Amino acid sequence: EDKVVQSPLSLVVHEGDTVTLNCSYEVTNFRSLLWYKQEKKAPTFLFMLTSSGIEKKSGRLSSILDKKELFSILNITATQTGDSAVYLCAVLVSQGNLIFGKGTKLSVKP
Amino acid sequence: ETGVTQTPRHLVMGMTNKKSLKCEQHLGHNAMYWYKQSAKKPLELMFVYSLEERVENNSVPSRFSPECPNSSHLFLHLHTLQPEDSALYLCASSHGSGRGSEQFFGPGTRLTVL
Repeated sequence: EDKVVQSPLSLVVHEGDTVTLNCSYEVTNFRSLLWYKQEKKAPTFLFMLTSSGIEKKSGRLSSILDKKELFSILNITATQTGDSAVYLCAVLVSQGNLIFGKGTKLSVKP
Repeated sequence: ETGVTQTPRHLVMGMTNKKSLKCEQHLGHNAMYWYKQSAKKPLELMFVYSLEERVENNSVPSRFSPECPNSSHLFLHLHTLQPEDSALYLCASSHGSGRGSEQFFGPGTRLTVL
């Protein structure tokens, strides 16, 4: 059975801290891995990773995929209270659907 | 209007009611999806429509009935629901026959079944 596991499930940090969120997966027919940020509404897309070892960056956020070890990390540097959200990892498989992890709930304290 | 829209945003219904959720996408995509998000559980894929044809049905109870009249509209018809069906129902769309790499989500409908 395909599965996506995220850790930690929740995390509390202070503004300015750097955090690393983890996502491991076991799926057949892997195509790509996606990260989403979900606040009190629908998920918003952050990154899509298809190739191993190539870091993607957007401001203070960055992510990388390791297809040999079957995991990805999402880094957030200099965290702000606006980064508080649930971060979802999802794997796209060849059949065209996304398999989501349970998410990591990040709380950034002032 | 752009993006993916859903109506209503909130819905409260009794177990004997019949209601429908509506999703509309203005992105020119040709695949649409229904997801269910319950508290403390991962997003669950319910249905996938590609080119208006249902291509995925993940063991969803028959009290949920999807309809895709065209590539821009997707409905989820609800009848005789149970309290455990209370959840956030998300619609998404993507480019290319259901195999796009990125799905765009609507704001969701918060459903409460009494």
